[in-house]
Amino acid sequence: DARVTQTPRHKVTEMGQEVTMRCQPILGHNTVFWYRQTMMQGLELLAYFRNRAPLDDSGMPKDRFSAEMPDATLATLKIQPSEPRDSAVYFCASGLGQGLGEQYFGPGTRLTVT
Amino acid sequence: AQSVTQPDIHITVSEGASLELRCNYSYGATPYLFWYVQSPGQGLQLLLKYFSGDTLVQGIKGFEAEFKRSQSSFNLRKPSVHWSDAAEYFCAVGAGDDKIIFGKGTRLHILP
Repeated sequence: DARVTQTPRHKVTEMGQEVTMRCQPILGHNTVFWYRQTMMQGLELLAYFRNRAPLDDSGMPKDRFSAEMPDATLATLKIQPSEPRDSAVYFCASGLGQGLGEQYFGPGTRLTVT
Repeated sequence: AQSVTQPDIHITVSEGASLELRCNYSYGATPYLFWYVQSPGQGLQLLLKYFSGDTLVQGIKGFEAEFKRSQSSFNLRKPSVHWSDAAEYFCAVGAGDDKIIFGKGTRLHILP
């Protein structure tokens, strides 16, 4: 049963610390998306990769957030330094990249910054 | 610009009753449309999708949705809900280049 995996599932950290979230997309998928979900804002697209190349990171605060795909099986989202307002659930999703928008989501990383 | 409106923030139905969740979209061309479900503490699961063809699409867990171009709607239906259907439901529209735009979600509550 192919699925997107994310680690860690939960992270509690202090303000100012670096946070790294990892995602393994479904094998064979060539698009990867990072979303942030909060009660106030709902689901926000942070970054988007196709064939490991970043295509759109306009939704991401550039000063503290960075997203990369070191290889086809790993995507990372890093926050440095973290702030309490970054507390949210971060989802990774992957897709076949056929232009249709069909995406499959991981279970998310719940981040709490104190 | 594309957008999705889910007019109902919360819906409460009795177990065994029928369900319809509303979704309206704004898109210039033929849209790609999706419904996702999110159970508490879980990620989003794709329920069903519409790309083209038959306007009534069947999904998992007994759900179906009907694309109505004249009304710019893609409402989700289920003839008889189960307590396990309690969750948040998101309608989404393809925004080009594999991106999708999500609605704000409708939280479904089930009365025993």
